Amino acid sequence: QVQLQESGPGLVKPSQTLSITCTVSGGSISNSEYYWSWIRQPPGKGLEWIGYIYYSGDTYYNPSLKSRVTISVDTSKNQFSLKLNSVTAADTAVYYCAKGFTSSPDWFDPWGQGTLVTVSS
Amino acid sequence: DIQMTQSPSSLSASVGDRVTITCRASQSINIYLNWYQQKPGKAPKLLIYAASSFQSGVPSRFSGSGSGTDFTLTISSLQPEDFATYYCQQSYSTPYTFGQGTKLEIK
Repeated sequence: QVQLQESGPGLVKPSQTLSITCTVSGGSISNSEYYWSWIRQPPGKGLEWIGYIYYSGDTYYNPSLKSRVTISVDTSKNQFSLKLNSVTAADTAVYYCAKGFTSSPDWFDPWGQGTLVTVSS
Repeated sequence: DIQMTQSPSSLSASVGDRVTITCRASQSINIYLNWYQQKPGKAPKLLIYAASSFQSGVPSRFSGSGSGTDFTLTISSLQPEDFATYYCQQSYSTPYTFGQGTKLEIK
């Protein structure tokens, strides 16, 4: 049973870079059947998909965030990471990592528990 | 981007009620529609994938239907643990998008 766990600083200053890591346990991040996504949820609001990465390093980003996002993978550590630069208060959110499937149709399951990142000076 | 619109945005119901939540896509998405349940302070949990397939462990009172642009999530007999927010999500094309959510509250 694959499980995901996010980790990262809870507070980031405006204009700086947000960095979060997702550790995958119970399965290999190099499994070609899966891709690995980041999704965020501002407090009291809905869900926004940020992007995904394959174990090969291939990525796809939401065009709304593409200019500021980098997702990377470290197969040796069974981890993938999110970097979001030039953050503002609007980037304050709970950030989730989730597993998806390379086949179609696909869905997000499971999700990590989420980590709240607050952008504030 | 494909826009997903849920209705209603909120709903008050009683234990034992039958409840239906609707999700409409801005273009046809075949059956590439998933439903999630989210409780306060928790991550979303997959309920239904590919419009009508049950995720393992999901009670049979939950069901999904639809194809193309119109989809429904039905809870046949509400239980106390079902009061939560429900989201639909399309996986037809990137960027993947979610509905705005339907908050199901106790009447």
